[in-house]
Amino acid sequence: DIVLTQSPGTLSLSPGERATLSCRASQSVRSSYLAWYQQKPGQAPRLLIYGASNRATGIPDRFSGSASGTDFTLTINRLEPEDFAVYYCQQYGSSPFTFGHGTKVEIK
Amino acid sequence: QVQLVQSGAEVKEPGASVTVSCKASGYTFNSYGINWVRQAPGQGLEWMGWISTYTGNTKYAQNVQGRVTMTTDTSTSTAYMELRSLRSDDTAVYYCARDMVRNQLAVVPAAADYWGQGTLVTVSS
Repeated sequence: DIVLTQSPGTLSLSPGERATLSCRASQSVRSSYLAWYQQKPGQAPRLLIYGASNRATGIPDRFSGSASGTDFTLTINRLEPEDFAVYYCQQYGSSPFTFGHGTKVEIK
Repeated sequence: QVQLVQSGAEVKEPGASVTVSCKASGYTFNSYGINWVRQAPGQGLEWMGWISTYTGNTKYAQNVQGRVTMTTDTSTSTAYMELRSLRSDDTAVYYCARDMVRNQLAVVPAAADYWGQGTLVTVSS
């Protein structure tokens, strides 16, 4: 199984700052089939990024994704108040289609 | 607009079974696969499985294989997830989520762009 390790566990930042979230895969992810989701308390997850770097429909351009080998990064430029949430990466290249344990972005 | 509406909360005793439904609307149901994802209280997301709504082919996570069955009813645009031999650690919110890629012949899931509202299943004696 592909294990996704997200870091840091918690990121404490102020609105307007940049958030950099990491997701490292234990082995190669086929065709960069990696997605990022945002989840707020009591809500279902929301797709942000698919294919490692493609923004989903309606996602603001302050969200971007990138990949380098087995390392994937979600960057949020100029944090808005609504961006404080938990973020999960998921690989959908190889079964089982595992999620990382999440990074919480909290207000400093 | 695309919507996935799930059935209501359930309370079950250990050893029982539960079936969660997910009724889709706003798109052609049998053109997109459906994922099932669960989240234990205060924990992260766990992928449980996927079903092709066109072929009925399924993929299940190993830790629920043998206890889970995912099905669809195309006449009502509804997906179902049955989990048997429930244990306390099956207590979780269960989500259905649609593949973002329209592909009737898909054999694996895509990223999930629309999600149901979640169904809390509590397993307790």
